Amino acid sequence: DAKTTQPTSMDCAEGRAANLPCNHSTISGNEYVYWYRQIHSQGPQYIIHGLKNNETNEMASLIITEDRKSSTLILPHATLRDTAVYYCIVRGNTGNQFYFGTGTSLTVIP
Amino acid sequence: EPEVTQTPSHQVTQMGQEVILRCVPISNHLYFYWYRQILGQKVEFLVSFYNNEISEKSEIFDDQFSVERPDGSNFTLKIRSTKLEDSAMYFCASSLDRMEFFGPGTRLTVL
Repeated sequence: DAKTTQPTSMDCAEGRAANLPCNHSTISGNEYVYWYRQIHSQGPQYIIHGLKNNETNEMASLIITEDRKSSTLILPHATLRDTAVYYCIVRGNTGNQFYFGTGTSLTVIP
Repeated sequence: EPEVTQTPSHQVTQMGQEVILRCVPISNHLYFYWYRQILGQKVEFLVSFYNNEISEKSEIFDDQFSVERPDGSNFTLKIRSTKLEDSAMYFCASSLDRMEFFGPGTRLTVL
């Protein structure tokens, strides 16, 4: 079962930052936080992952609280193409399954 | 940029028939996965494969399912006797380390 809790849906104005929260209060010490997104019925797309430090790449930033019980994915300048379902997933070892929950349906509004 | 590819993009079959879904993972990846997504539902893990053997499988992955890496490049999912409820998108994924990369999926329709 999914070990994360996310809001069902969110809206964001085009050009503004989209902040997507995730709660993972039962996360274990060796578990990483991953974010993926799925546009329509396409394959899930990797966005970012982290263990305890904040991470940034060309797509997004990941802010993990000090106690690691929650995190926020930040899309700094949302575009219409960022409209998708965003999944927050925690996982320990590579090879273990990803549990996809229901995610957050982000709608970027013109 | 390397990517996971899957064939066919859409497969239609009759109930009870065998189907083989094919995937070409990214070439230097070591871990391989299959997931499925029934229309309107969550993405569900089926199986992971490493070092030529199954490393983890879900309850969905029963005796009707099997996976194989027949050569150095392909990774296949076989469903021996398809059921109506097997209709879904099937996604293959591969990883070298922590980042899993997903293919575009095969839409399986069982009639």
